[in-house]
Amino acid sequence: DSGVTQTPKHLITATGQRVTLRCSPRSGDLSVYWYQQSLDQGLQFLIQYYNGEERAKGNILERFSAQQFPDLHSELNLSSLELGDSALYFCASSPPSEGYGYTFGSGTRLTVV
Amino acid sequence: SQKIEQNSEALNIQEGKTATLTCNYTNYSPAYLQWYRQDPGRGPVFLLLIRENEKEKRKERLKVTFDTTLKQSLFHITASQPADSATYLCALVHTGGFKTIFGAGTRLFVKA
Repeated sequence: DSGVTQTPKHLITATGQRVTLRCSPRSGDLSVYWYQQSLDQGLQFLIQYYNGEERAKGNILERFSAQQFPDLHSELNLSSLELGDSALYFCASSPPSEGYGYTFGSGTRLTVV
Repeated sequence: SQKIEQNSEALNIQEGKTATLTCNYTNYSPAYLQWYRQDPGRGPVFLLLIRENEKEKRKERLKVTFDTTLKQSLFHITASQPADSATYLCALVHTGGFKTIFGAGTRLFVKA
């Protein structure tokens, strides 16, 4: 157990639907990052939050949105789902200070049918 | 645009030998560089971090070098074991720790 909790582990949904992925960061970490990993592809940075505020954005689609709540957990919302959105979605967290590695969760495997 | 390149071909080595993986980058000035291990279907696990002003970092059987002039990092695993078989990712971190980008990873196979 890495200390970063992601739910659900698996999600199967139909095209056009909307889903919410949830992430609880490791205790003490203020930053949360979301990454998408498609089959045989690298990790694509989606978005980063620090203590409730959006810090950086990657190539996140307009159909996707995220937020970090006061208790520091984060949610990634994916809407109008397409087949190409099928992927592993990882959440990671890191401490307030720079110079530390990220702790990743075990991911949510999303399958859009 | 910013780009990270890692060996796309898998690396096959014999147990006991040293594995060397390469990470090259362009159009980026990272504050530091990280290396991760990822097993199939699982989240990456942090291994080592090296800052821009450091040339080399070691941790047990792992060694990382960082050459900001060549824009390259090398990751070495000495006395490799079959349990080291995994995909290894490098990641570049900007000052401020945001917008970290990952390479596609290199698959390592260590044969007994």
